[in-house]
Amino acid sequence: KAGVTQTPRYLIKTRGQQVTLSCSPISGHRSVSWYQQTPGQGLQFLFEYFSETQRNKGNFPGRFSGRQFSNSRSEMNVSTLELGDSALYLCASSLDRRSPLHFGNGTRLTVT
Amino acid sequence: SQELEQSPQSLIVQEGKNLTINCTSSKTLYGLYWYKQKYGEGLIFLMMLQKGGEEKSHEKITAKLDEKKQQSSLHITASQPSHAGIYLCGADGDTDKLIFGTGTRLQVFP
Repeated sequence: KAGVTQTPRYLIKTRGQQVTLSCSPISGHRSVSWYQQTPGQGLQFLFEYFSETQRNKGNFPGRFSGRQFSNSRSEMNVSTLELGDSALYLCASSLDRRSPLHFGNGTRLTVT
Repeated sequence: SQELEQSPQSLIVQEGKNLTINCTSSKTLYGLYWYKQKYGEGLIFLMMLQKGGEEKSHEKITAKLDEKKQQSSLHITASQPSHAGIYLCGADGDTDKLIFGTGTRLQVFP
């Protein structure tokens, strides 16, 4: 079974631009969560989607948004990029809330 | 809000030595997960613990959840270079989202 796939693996953007990250969950998984990982803050929860509905949201500004499609694939968008948005963005999928999360290899975003 | 504290933050051990990583929660744990991360990559699921006193093992790694369900430990027996990485504990937080500890960086030298 294929794992969680995130694209692209690396991105370099300049301040003020916007970016879209993509995540394909494990086949059959309907829950997709996004996390931001930085050296200073560690792993911070962004949001969770289940069956195309946002079920939970972390403490991030409105510049961070996401969505989930009917095939469970998910996208995350960050608008008006800031230097502090440079991070590893991780997507994880699970069968349901009581199942462990399975992570992709992440997208490393660098904002210059 | 619930917080997870891991200790130590960093560990350097010689190959073949045993080691223990701890994860302490500010609130009762209802689901505790251990993950391993190689630098710059995603997290690999190791084990999940749910019941007080529960213990699980996989190869040379054993994880325990204490009876009070506020602390978990991860023990590696006869460490190998392949065990090197960052170990993170995760728990079901207050608002149903999975929160993570700050991580323990493990280095194993020959």
